[in-house]
Amino acid sequence: DVKVTQSSRYLVKRTGEKVFLECVQDMDHENMFWYRQDPGLGLRLIYFSYDVKMKEKGDIPEGYSVSREKKERFSLILESASTNQTSMYLCASSPSSQPQHFGDGTRLSIL
Amino acid sequence: DAKTTQPPSMDCAEGRAANLPCNHSTISGNEYVYWYRQIHSQGPQYIIHGLKNNETNEMASLIITEDRKSSTLILPHATLRDTAVYYCIVRGNAGGTSYGKLTFGQGTILTVHP
Repeated sequence: DVKVTQSSRYLVKRTGEKVFLECVQDMDHENMFWYRQDPGLGLRLIYFSYDVKMKEKGDIPEGYSVSREKKERFSLILESASTNQTSMYLCASSPSSQPQHFGDGTRLSIL
Repeated sequence: DAKTTQPPSMDCAEGRAANLPCNHSTISGNEYVYWYRQIHSQGPQYIIHGLKNNETNEMASLIITEDRKSSTLILPHATLRDTAVYYCIVRGNAGGTSYGKLTFGQGTILTVHP
C-alpha cells in the first residue's frame, strides 16, 4: 500500500513564526503536492513538485514556499505564519499520470 | 478540467449497494473520471478511475455511460465504515503544469445506516 506520512496531525503556532510541514512518501513517486482544505472552499493546490529540486506554483502559493531536496520528502514552509493560514494541510504523491494518494493531513492553527 | 455535478447527500442501508451518480457533461476525450472519498478527519482516499470502459477493483465499480457525460460509483455491499464524502473528479492525464491539480467539488455525503 502507498504510504504518505505527514509529520504532525495537529500543530499550533503563533503569528509571525516560520512553520515547517513535512511530508514523506515511501513509493518512489515522482510527483508530490501540497493542498489546503477549508470549509466551503474544497481543496486548493498550493505547490507541487514533479522531481527533486523542481517545483511549480499551484493556485494559492502566496505566503508559502516548498523544498524538495530528496525524492521521498516534500516540505511546505510558511515563511511568516498568519491567522488566515489556519487550515487543514494535505500532502499527496503520485507516479506520473497516476492517481494521487493523500496523507491524513495536518490541522494547523495559527494564534 | 470539466466541472462535475453530484447530489449533496444520499442514504444507504448497511449491506445494500450504494450507487453514487456524477454528471460531467463537458468532459473531453482525454479526461478521466476519478473517485475519491474522505472520511471525517482523514485525508482523501483514492477509490477508482476510468476513461471510457467500466472498471472494478476491490473497493468499488465505476460505470461510465457510452457518451461519457455521466458515471456511477457502486459500492456493492455498503458498510457503516463507508460513511464519507465522495468526490467525483474529471481530469486529464496529459503532461503540463495543470494536469497535477485535483479539483474537488462539494461531493456527496453518503450516510450508511444500520
